[in-house]
Amino acid sequence: AQTVTQSQPEMSVQEAETVTLSCTYDTSESDYYLFWYKQPPSRQMILVIRQEAYKQQNATENRFSVNFQKAAKSFSLKISDSQLGDAAMYFCAYRETSGSRLTFGEGTQLTVNP
Amino acid sequence: EPEVTQTPSHQVTQMGQEVILRCVPISNHLYFYWYRQILGQKVEFLVSFYNNEISEKSEIFDDQFSVERPDGSNFTLKIRSTKLEDSAMYFCASKTGQGSYEQYFGPGTRLTVT
Repeated sequence: AQTVTQSQPEMSVQEAETVTLSCTYDTSESDYYLFWYKQPPSRQMILVIRQEAYKQQNATENRFSVNFQKAAKSFSLKISDSQLGDAAMYFCAYRETSGSRLTFGEGTQLTVNP
Repeated sequence: EPEVTQTPSHQVTQMGQEVILRCVPISNHLYFYWYRQILGQKVEFLVSFYNNEISEKSEIFDDQFSVERPDGSNFTLKIRSTKLEDSAMYFCASKTGQGSYEQYFGPGTRLTVT
């Protein structure tokens, strides 16, 4: 069974600085998708960024980028120029290409200090 | 922007009672999901639903659980006889089609079983 692990329960960053959230996963599949979801205090999860495993190029969405290391089964999220609105719980998630269920990590609570 | 909505936001019930959690997915979405998050634990997949039938379910989704799309807009999760361990946040999600990546999540219903 696939597992996703986020080893950092909490992280903090100063406004305008850069922070990296870690995620590792375990799978025997060669093709799959990885996601980062953000859950603000209102508790509605929203998709931040996704990565297809067959793509070597790391995904980027504005201030958010990932470092995808397929061999190491690592998928970290980098947030540049952190803003107060980035404060939230961040979940790493995995999905098989053929399936639709998401498998989540434990979550990392990000605090942004002014 | 269209959103997934869930009602109620908080439900308190006594052990052994039946509860129905309601979700209104985004109107043109075809795939529907329920996830739950027990306090302090990972978000876990329960069930996916497409074309008026369950397409996938987890080992958590036993005979005590059922899902239904009673009309063109609602998607419900019924727990037949609640247990203390059913206390959790329940999230509904939906997505457009098979090829779409993003699941859109609702804000959740907090279920407390006493």
